[in-house]
Amino acid sequence: DTGVSQDPRHKITKRGQNVTFRCDPISEHNRLYWYRQTLGQGPEFLTYFQNEAQLEKSRLLSDRFSAERPKGSFSTLEIQRTEQGDSAMYLCASSGRTRSLSYNEQFFGPGTRLTVL
Amino acid sequence: DQQVKQNSPSLSVQEGRISILNCDYTNSMFDYFLWYKKYPAEGPTFLISISSIKDKNEDGRFTVFLNKSAKHLSLHIVPSQPGDSAVYFCAASAWGAQKLVFGQGTRLTINP
Repeated sequence: DTGVSQDPRHKITKRGQNVTFRCDPISEHNRLYWYRQTLGQGPEFLTYFQNEAQLEKSRLLSDRFSAERPKGSFSTLEIQRTEQGDSAMYLCASSGRTRSLSYNEQFFGPGTRLTVL
Repeated sequence: DQQVKQNSPSLSVQEGRISILNCDYTNSMFDYFLWYKKYPAEGPTFLISISSIKDKNEDGRFTVFLNKSAKHLSLHIVPSQPGDSAVYFCAASAWGAQKLVFGQGTRLTINP
């Protein structure tokens, strides 16, 4: 019984570089979410997929951010031309009716901590 | 616009006593509420949830109370154990919306 996994767990990059993160959701879950968490704050919603379709994007997700979920399985989040303000924990979550009666219960991965120098 | 607020950044409780964590919300469209627990360097772990059609939900040592008229929910942990020391987030979602809106978190410390 595997949970949500994320790779890498830590990423240090220089300003202006591109980075890509991967998320593998719980296998039976068809909904996948990306959140960002900065120090002292709760997670903030970035985007949401149902199967392979990206159905909602936060205004936090600038043009430098892009997310994909090909074939409705794993997802990637890419940040182009990183800025120091992008430094945060990037969390992935998934939900489905197999572990709970409600899609509202989202199960989170361990996160990818991004540091932009 | 902080729609979900946890006004206590930290709480210290003696082992064996009751821990009460509070959360207030402003959006009357929220109809589902959740509590998550987070250890350092890990993602949030789902604890317990409650629908707006209920005012109480219990799961072992954890009970969540919802007061819709006051737009307030609370998490009770009885008895508190050292392993409960963590940051606790409340979160809410509106009907038809997929995203969770989180509070800022409360750091709970259980003292032996």
